[in-house]
Order: sequence, then C-alpha cells, then structure tokens
Amino acid sequence: SQTIHQWPATLVQPVGSPLSLECTVEGTSNPNLYWYRQAAGRGLQLLFYSVGIGQISSEVPQNLSASRPQDRQFILSSKKLLLSDSGFYLCAWSKGAIGYTFGSGTRLTVV
Amino acid sequence: DAKTTQPTSMDCAEGRAANLPCNHSTISGNEYVYWYRQIHSQGPQYIIHGLKNNETNEMASLIITEDRKSSTLILPHATLRDTAVYYCVVDSWGKLQFGAGTQVVVTP
Repeated sequence: SQTIHQWPATLVQPVGSPLSLECTVEGTSNPNLYWYRQAAGRGLQLLFYSVGIGQISSEVPQNLSASRPQDRQFILSSKKLLLSDSGFYLCAWSKGAIGYTFGSGTRLTVV
Repeated sequence: DAKTTQPTSMDCAEGRAANLPCNHSTISGNEYVYWYRQIHSQGPQYIIHGLKNNETNEMASLIITEDRKSSTLILPHATLRDTAVYYCVVDSWGKLQFGAGTQVVVTP
C-alpha cells in the first residue's frame, strides 16, 4: 500500500533563517506531488506541484521554492523565512484515478 | 479562487444523518468533485469523489445534481468522531481548489 511521510511535525524558526521541509511517498512510482499551505481557519492553498523529477510548477508568487530531486521526494525550501510564512504545510500525492492523499502536515511558526 | 461555496457551520445530532451541501456552479464537464474532512492539526482525510453519478462508499454517499452545479455529502449515521471541517473541492486540471469548508459539530 502507498504511504506518505512528512516531517517534521512542528517547527519554530526565527525570521531570516532557512527552511527545508521534506516529503516522501512509498509504494508507488511517478506520482504527482503537491505542497499546500493552510493559514489559521482557512482552506488549503496550492503552492507547488510536480509531475516528475525536476519538474516544478508554482501556483503563487512567494518566498518559497520547491524541488523534486528523486521520483518520490518533494522538498519545500526557503532561503530566508518571513513572519508571513507561518502556517500549516501539507504535502500530497496523486496518481491517475487513485485520487489525492495528504500527509500529516508540518506546523511552521516563524518568530 | 475557490470554485466551491459551503455553509460555514452545521450541527448534527449523534446517530442522525448529516447532509452537507456544496455549490460549484462554475464546474467544468470534466472536473471531479472531491470531499475531504480535516480534524484540527491533521492532514485532510479523503471521503469520496464523483463526476456525474451518485457515489457511495463505507464512509458516505455523494449526490450530484444532474446539472452538476451542486452536490450533497451524506454521512448516514453521524458519530462524535465525525466532528471536523468538511471540504468540498473541485479537481481542476490535476489541482484541488479548496474553499473554507463547513465546520460540522456532532452533538450527543
């Protein structure tokens, strides 16, 4: 069966520090991968999606970037965090008719 | 922009059916409707999805109107563990577009 792993679960980082969140998928190959962000009390906003290694599409302009160095690995990064980068970050995968499966999320607080 | 609108909140008595409405009047012919739910500080959990026909699984039923402009998620026998935010989501070209969802509170 397929599983998705996302870490860390919580993170507190100072303004101006770098960020790296990692997501990996097991049990499938060539999945579509997604990064979403959720502000408090709001729905999910799509940040990035990827249909293959090295292929990244950005949905909104922001202080973040994404990379897909391996087929089942998706990384969300920032060189210098802003206060506005705080939020709940979720990774998800999909493939064909299987639908979308979300990870457990990372709660990022920038202080 | 989100392509769905849902009521902000809804209460339901334990053991009764919960009917959650969703409007998606601008949906395109090949866009699926998905339903997810999210318990605080957890990732969204898949419930059900459909295109044109009504769907049923072990968790819920999905009723889609003939013109596809709205749908209803039915939880047949709500339990306290069904308390969550429920999202009706349109799959637009491989990307899910979330609205603010409906906060469902199941009471004893």
